[in-house]
Amino acid sequence: QLQLVESGGGVVQPGGSLRLSCAASGFTFSRHALHWVRQAPGKGLEWVAIIAYDGDFKYVADSLKGRFTISRDNVKNTLYLYMDRLRPDDTAVYYCVRDPGDHGDYYFDHWGQGTLVTVSS
Amino acid sequence: QSALTQPRSVSGSPGQSVTISCTGTRNDVGYYNYVSWYQQHPGKAPRLLIYDVTQRPAGVPDRFSGSKSGNTASLTISGLQAEDEADYYCSSYAGTYTFVVFGGGAKLTVL
Repeated sequence: QLQLVESGGGVVQPGGSLRLSCAASGFTFSRHALHWVRQAPGKGLEWVAIIAYDGDFKYVADSLKGRFTISRDNVKNTLYLYMDRLRPDDTAVYYCVRDPGDHGDYYFDHWGQGTLVTVSS
Repeated sequence: QSALTQPRSVSGSPGQSVTISCTGTRNDVGYYNYVSWYQQHPGKAPRLLIYDVTQRPAGVPDRFSGSKSGNTASLTISGLQAEDEADYYCSSYAGTYTFVVFGGGAKLTVL
């Protein structure tokens, strides 16, 4: 059974940092591109970042570039999102999402349950 | 403000059909056939309904269908059921450097 399980969310002060993890199982992790998508409370979905199957290609949304970094470990079957210099408007549920392609087919066929990040003093 | 424009709300009675529009530009919806649709119930993760404008993943009922004309994509739900009440989001590939854009979401109410 395919599973994506996010962890690492919590409350962090403005200016702080956090690393989210996404443990995957039930499919061949190393064959798929992966994304992070976030959703602020009561708001819509926002695409955050993509990483190709082998980690060689990665891209973070322009509005987040310089603060967020996406990475993966194909031995541990884990996706990561490192977030730095966090701001209150980064408060959101962060979803780990599977792409059916290896470099990106740009749709999302499986979603994790999400992890909530709250940036507040 | 979202890159793609959806109506904030739509409604229909059980058994009826509803269509949710998703308007983009010639740089995303109008150029690429990479429009997808997602259903999200309160407190749950989104679920893929349609990809590549018209394709349905295994397990999605054929009551859900997608189409596109120009810069506007549409999701049609026929034979409305109570469990269809949810938020619906469209998404499109928008090219290198932008990648993926979403609509603001449409709340479907089944009357």
